[in-house]
Amino acid sequence: KQEVTQIPAALSVPEGENLVLNCSFTDSAIYNLQWFRQDPGKGLTSLLLIQSSQREQTSGRLNASLDKSSGRSTLYIAASQPGDSATYLCAVRNNDMRFGAGTRLTVKP
Amino acid sequence: GAGVSQSPSNKVTEKGKDVELRCDPISGHTALYWYRQSLGQGLEFLIYFQGNSAPDKSGLPSDRFSAERTGGSVSTLTIQRTQQEDSAVYLCASSRVAGVAETQYFGPGTRLLVL
Repeated sequence: KQEVTQIPAALSVPEGENLVLNCSFTDSAIYNLQWFRQDPGKGLTSLLLIQSSQREQTSGRLNASLDKSSGRSTLYIAASQPGDSATYLCAVRNNDMRFGAGTRLTVKP
Repeated sequence: GAGVSQSPSNKVTEKGKDVELRCDPISGHTALYWYRQSLGQGLEFLIYFQGNSAPDKSGLPSDRFSAERTGGSVSTLTIQRTQQEDSAVYLCASSRVAGVAETQYFGPGTRLLVL
């Protein structure tokens, strides 16, 4: 059974810092991995989708990497802003989607 | 265009009652998914629909849970004889098709509290 773990569970940084969120999964036979953002009272917003054949995807200040063989992905956020404060979830797709418990990020002004 | 919508946004019910949760997917999306997020835990897959195919019910936790999708659009998740452990946020998502390369778009969720 696929298990997805996210570390750290919570992270607080001052504005402007670069930061890395980690995601690991136990079954490397995935189709893709997706990073989401979840804001209180709202649904999930897809940030980046990395196919199993890809090693990274970039969107603005976000960069996600995938090392399928080692079962790891990282989400890099450059020059963090208070508006980045949210919970970040990673999800891996086998036959269904499995989500991690998320990393709750707080960016302090 | 409108995103995925869910109703109600919040639901409080008494143990043993039945509840229905509704999801309106993005127009034209043929795949629809239900997930559950319990406090402090990751999302848990429940069920998904793809067009007129039989739904994948492999994630439903018990036979008290069922879901329907009428006309290939709106979906209803029904929980019968609710238990306190059913308290969670229930999220619905849709995608253009059910292919593994497709991005899923999520609704705001329904917060269910079973007293």
